[in-house]
Amino acid sequence: GAGVSQSPRYKVAKRGQDVALRCDPISGHVSLFWYQQALGQGPEFLTYFQNEAQLDKSGLPSDRFFAERPEGSVSTLKIQRTQQEDSAVYLCASSQTRPGTGDTEAFFGQGTRLTVV
Amino acid sequence: DQQVKQNSPSLSVQEGRISILNCDYTNSMFDYFLWYKKYPAEGPTFLISISSIKDKNEDGRFTVFLNKSAKHLSLHIVPSQPGDSAVYFCAANQGGSEKLVFGKGTKLTVNP
Repeated sequence: GAGVSQSPRYKVAKRGQDVALRCDPISGHVSLFWYQQALGQGPEFLTYFQNEAQLDKSGLPSDRFFAERPEGSVSTLKIQRTQQEDSAVYLCASSQTRPGTGDTEAFFGQGTRLTVV
Repeated sequence: DQQVKQNSPSLSVQEGRISILNCDYTNSMFDYFLWYKKYPAEGPTFLISISSIKDKNEDGRFTVFLNKSAKHLSLHIVPSQPGDSAVYFCAANQGGSEKLVFGKGTKLTVNP
């Protein structure tokens, strides 16, 4: 596609419910990132994939958060037993080159706004 | 601890004048810096970047200045236009690391 696509755009979950957020990166992009943006804050890194390999998951806040990218394209971020503090915008980004190698820019999707009630 | 700081939550500028957005960082290992622009209900959009081996990078109306000794960078927009009204995020990256570290953002309003 033309850009990074995320679905759903909005998700309301009851506390304790499991949710799954989907990201379709730009075709051919090797790198895929998930970020969490709380209200009034900047995006915070969650996890990073290079193709299907999850190379960094240091930002995942707890073991309730799980991400996968089984075929190296579409990625899913799953949050189990959601809690109110999980309410945030979840942003997915993809890039063509490995970060830190030069003129790399990450293209962001519109995000999924998760509200846990 | 905030490694990338944008101390001004908001900035208001008159159309046609210069907008200067500031960013400070604490991690001396950062070697690549980016500015992103974000409109409401949209994802951040890449604007301009600078490598730590440079002190200035210009792209049209946008110029980023880097002062490594002060661990400070700034984004200049000249002339400012109402369409520039958005939240601007400063981000940094350390060579060999995958993650971008973002500031909290500065909301720029350009008044007609």
